[in-house]
Amino acid sequence: AQSVTQPDIHITVSEGASLELRCNYSYGATPYLFWYVQSPGQGLQLLLKYFSGDTLVQGIKGFEAEFKRSQSSFNLRKPSVHWSDAAEYFCAVSSDSWGKLQFGAGTQVVVTP
Amino acid sequence: SAVISQKPSRDICQRGTSLTIQCQVDSQVTMMFWYRQQPGQSLTLIATANQGSEATYESGFVIDKFPISRPNLTFSTLTVSNMSPEDSSIYLCSVEESLGTPKSTDTQYFGPGTRLTVL
Repeated sequence: AQSVTQPDIHITVSEGASLELRCNYSYGATPYLFWYVQSPGQGLQLLLKYFSGDTLVQGIKGFEAEFKRSQSSFNLRKPSVHWSDAAEYFCAVSSDSWGKLQFGAGTQVVVTP
Repeated sequence: SAVISQKPSRDICQRGTSLTIQCQVDSQVTMMFWYRQQPGQSLTLIATANQGSEATYESGFVIDKFPISRPNLTFSTLTVSNMSPEDSSIYLCSVEESLGTPKSTDTQYFGPGTRLTVL
C-alpha cells in the first residue's frame, strides 16, 4: 500500500531564512507527486507537481522541489521565506487508481520576524 | 486552472440534521472529488464523482451517510446526513484537469472548502 510521510509536524523559521520541508513516499510504481499549501481559512493551492523529466521542479511563490528516487523523497524548498509563507503544507501522491490523491499529515510552518 | 466555488462556505448545524454542500466549476471537468479534513488533520478522500455514473466511495465512507450527486460536468453536491459532532470538518471538493494524457499530466485543483460545525 502506498503512503506519504511528512516527518515534521511543525517548523518555525525566521523571515528571510531558508526553508526545507520533507516528504517521503512509499509507492510501487513511478509516483506522481504534488505539494499543496493551505493558508489559514483557505482551500488548498497547488505549489508544484512532478510527473517525469527534470527532477528539480519549479513552482509558484518561489518554491522548488527535488525528486530523489533513491531516497523516495520529494522535499520542498524555498531560499528565503516571507511572512506570507506561514501556512500548512501538504505533500500528496497520486494513487494506483485514476486521480486519487493520498496526502501526508501536513507540516505547519510558522514564520517569525 | 479551473475556478471552483463551494456553498455554503461555513455552517453550524444541529445533530441529526443534514446539510448539502454544492460545488460549482467554471469549466467542464470529467472527475470531481470530495475530501474531508477533520480538525487538525490531513485530507481524506470521501468519494470520486463522475458525471453519469454512481459515485465511488472510499473505505469507511458510505452512500447513505454521504450521498453525492453529479448531474452535469460542472456541478456536484455532497450531503452529510444525520450529522453528529464527529462530522465537524472542512469538506473540500476538487476537480481534475486532464491535459490529454491519462495520469501523466492530471492535476487536482481544490475549492475553498465548507467549514461544518455540528453541535
